Amino acid sequence: DAGVIQSPRHEVTEMGQEVTLRCKPISGHNSLFWYRQTMMRGLELLIYFNNNVPIDDSGMPEDRFSAKMPNASFSTLKIQPSEPRDSAVYFCASSPRDSLYNEQFFGPGTRLTVL
Amino acid sequence: DQQVKQNSPSLSVQEGRISILNCDYTNSMFDYFLWYKKYPAEGPTFLISISSIKDKNEDGRFTVFLNKSAKHLSLHIVPSQPGDSAVYFCAASIINAGNNRKLIWGLGTSLAVNP
Repeated sequence: DAGVIQSPRHEVTEMGQEVTLRCKPISGHNSLFWYRQTMMRGLELLIYFNNNVPIDDSGMPEDRFSAKMPNASFSTLKIQPSEPRDSAVYFCASSPRDSLYNEQFFGPGTRLTVL
Repeated sequence: DQQVKQNSPSLSVQEGRISILNCDYTNSMFDYFLWYKKYPAEGPTFLISISSIKDKNEDGRFTVFLNKSAKHLSLHIVPSQPGDSAVYFCAASIINAGNNRKLIWGLGTSLAVNP
């Protein structure tokens, strides 16, 4: 039974380049979350979707960040242009419709390094 | 402003002894609390939860205690094993103004269980 799938697992890019992170949630889950983890700020919620619709994007740091969910099985997080301070591990998580307390299932993460 | 606080960044315990991880919160509207465990290079995985109407929930070696009056919860691991060495996140669940449920995360506590 496949869990949340993220790609790539590692990304190294140069400042100013566009970065696209991808996520496939668990089949049947209707909520999808993008998080960023850094040493200083821990796990920060960037944005979450319910039934493919963005519900809360208040955690998106600035306009350089955008996220889409064109269908129930795919989401992207794009950073354009990237900056060194964007270096972090980015997690995608999904949650089933009937989760009473919003238990989330996480992917393995994408480690992003912006040089 | 951290609504969920894990004041100990790290904890070291001897194998076989009890590990106690603490978490404090500020918002009385949280109705569920969850603990997640994270190994390096992996996403967090759900460990145990507790409803705000309970004061204890036990699952094998893991027990979570909730003190609502003190807005404090703790995770007890007995006996601790080297495989328990990981980062433990406390998270609180709440329904927001848009009737959507979200998790608020602590910064995590790194547990090291020494053989």
